Amino acid sequence: KAGVTQTPRYLIKTRGQQVTLSCSPISGHRSVSWYQQTPGQGLQFLFEYFSETQRNKGNFPGRFSGRQFSNSRSEMNVSTLELGDSALYLCVSSEFASGDTGELFFGEGSRLTVL
Amino acid sequence: AQSVTQLGSHVSVSEGALVLLRCNYSSSVPPYLFWYVQYPNQGLQLLLKYTSAATLVKGINGFEAEFKKSETSFHLTKPSAHMSDAAEYFCAVSVPAAGNKLTFGGGTRVLVKP
Repeated sequence: KAGVTQTPRYLIKTRGQQVTLSCSPISGHRSVSWYQQTPGQGLQFLFEYFSETQRNKGNFPGRFSGRQFSNSRSEMNVSTLELGDSALYLCVSSEFASGDTGELFFGEGSRLTVL
Repeated sequence: AQSVTQLGSHVSVSEGALVLLRCNYSSSVPPYLFWYVQYPNQGLQLLLKYTSAATLVKGINGFEAEFKKSETSFHLTKPSAHMSDAAEYFCAVSVPAAGNKLTFGGGTRVLVKP
């Protein structure tokens, strides 16, 4: 069974540009979450989608947005990039809607560098 | 809101020695607690989780953790360190109403000396 697939794995952008990251969850999984990982702030929750509905949102500015498609694939977008947006963005896939009922599977991440 | 504190951002152990990684949490409702491991340039892998069943939880690769409500702790241990245990370890907390949202500690990087 294929794991969580994130594309692209690495990308470089300049300040002011926008970026879209993609995540394909494990087949049959309906929950997709996104996290930002930086050396300074650690792992921070961005948002969670379940069956195309956003269930939870972290404390990030409106420049960060996401969506989930009917096939459970998810995208996140960051507009007007800032240097501080340089990070590893991790996608998490789960079969269930709650943390006690199923394991969370992490992708390998998309590493964004903003110059 | 929930929070997690991991004591020690770096831990150095000798091969064969006990590994002890400390995690304290804060939660106003009964929490779910997790330990994850991250190897360089990879995502996180679940080591073990506590979801209100047995307080002593056994995980993969010989790791275990004990939930102590009175101490609000969920420390991770492994009796004998192996070189392959060198990685970064994250403690995380969740609550039922938060779905799959995890709140992570700052992480502890483990160095294993031969």
